[in-house]
Amino acid sequence: EPEVTQTPSHQVTQMGQEVILRCVPISNHLYFYWYRQILGQKVEFLVSFYNNEISEKSEIFDDQFSVERPDGSNFTLKIRSTKLEDSAMYFCASSWTGPYGYTFGSGTRLTVV
Amino acid sequence: AQSVTQLGSHVSVSEGALVLLRCNYSSSVPPYLFWYVQYPNQGLQLLLKYTSAATLVKGINDFEAEFKKSETSFHLTKPSAHMSDAAEYFCAVSEETSGSRLTFGEGTQLTVNP
Repeated sequence: EPEVTQTPSHQVTQMGQEVILRCVPISNHLYFYWYRQILGQKVEFLVSFYNNEISEKSEIFDDQFSVERPDGSNFTLKIRSTKLEDSAMYFCASSWTGPYGYTFGSGTRLTVV
Repeated sequence: AQSVTQLGSHVSVSEGALVLLRCNYSSSVPPYLFWYVQYPNQGLQLLLKYTSAATLVKGINDFEAEFKKSETSFHLTKPSAHMSDAAEYFCAVSEETSGSRLTFGEGTQLTVNP
């Protein structure tokens, strides 16, 4: 069964550093998403991406965050200057048809120290 | 705006007993509703989804959920719990007008006792 692949599985970074989280969505999917889950809390929507542009973003997704699909296969989330409160599990997801056909990756655990 | 409330952050059942996890939603338009399961240190796996077809939805591993519009509920059930069902369960809602974002509930941790 096709999978969404996220790398790395765990990343530790120092506060103030830039970090890039990588995702390889399922190849024929058209919609791409990032979600995050702070430890012990619910999963929160960050951003959706369709047709090479952001289609929706949440209030969490401020100027410190950006997304890119640089080469038609990867989908990246960049955090420019990490804060302690950015520590969370970040999930990438892709879908061929909106919310009905989401596939989530296994996540990247980001720890900011 | 869409929202989801899951009643009970922790539910404990005995192996073989009925599992009932509660979910109520709020949506200004007919919603799409989902249940996801998360095993420790893993991603989110779709259990089942309601997309305006049959109100009783069957999913994987004998889970099912019933959409009740009058009660704005989408409770998850399983007739007989297995030890392997121990996990965190998330209810989620999406509105077609929201650009397909999912809004998740707080989650319910299911413990299955031998």
